[in-house]
Amino acid sequence: GESVGLHLPTLSVQEGDNSIINCAYSNSASDYFIWYKQESGKGPQFIIDIRSNMDKRQGQRVTVLLNKTVKHLSLQIAATQPGDSAVYFCAENTGNQFYFGTGTSLTVIP
Amino acid sequence: NAGVTQTPKFQVLKTGQSMTLQCAQDMNHEYMSWYRQDPGMGLRLIHYSVGAGITDQGEVPNGYNVSRSTTEDFPLRLLSAAPSQTSVYFCASSTDWNTEAFFGQGTRLTVV
Repeated sequence: GESVGLHLPTLSVQEGDNSIINCAYSNSASDYFIWYKQESGKGPQFIIDIRSNMDKRQGQRVTVLLNKTVKHLSLQIAATQPGDSAVYFCAENTGNQFYFGTGTSLTVIP
Repeated sequence: NAGVTQTPKFQVLKTGQSMTLQCAQDMNHEYMSWYRQDPGMGLRLIHYSVGAGITDQGEVPNGYNVSRSTTEDFPLRLLSAAPSQTSVYFCASSTDWNTEAFFGQGTRLTVV
C-alpha cells in the first residue's frame, strides 16, 4: 500500500503566527494531492489541492507547496486563528484511490 | 443542498450482528467511497464506486460489502460484525476520482 506520513503529529502555534504542516509521500507516480481539515466530531473538509504539474498553489490564507524531487508536501497557514485548530491531513492520489496521512493536530494558542 | 448524508451517526452492535450504514449525496457525483478512520492510522479506503452499478475494493475491504444501484446512494454492509470493525466510518463523494471529495459527518460504530 501507499505510505503518506507527516513529520510532526502535533503542532502548537501562537495566534497570528504562521503555521507550516509537512507531509511526505512515497509514490512518485502520485499526480494529485489534497489537504483536508478535520474538526472534532466532523468529517474532513477540503482546504486546497495541487496537481503534480505545479510547485505552489495559493488560496485564502493557505499555500500548498509541492517538492516532487524529495516527495514532500507542505501546507502553510498565514496568520493562524483559533478556528484553525483541527487535525490536518494530506492525501495523495494514485490511480483511482486516495491515500491519507495520519494527520497533524494543530493547536492555536490565544 | 445537504451534500453527503450518513446515517446513523452512532451505532453499537454485538459481535456477529449485521447492519447497513447509509450514505446519500445530492450533488450528482459519480464517484463515491467509504473510509474508516482509526486512531493513529488516518483514513483508509474500504470500497469505492465510479458510477452506478460499478464498485471496487479499496485498501481494507474484508468484512464489508457495497452496492451502487443509484447515483445518489452507496450503502456499506457489515455482514457479521467483529470488534476489529469498531471505528468511525466516513462516506465521501466527488465528481471524479481525482477531484476533491466531500465527506459526510461520519458514523461512529462500536462492536462489542
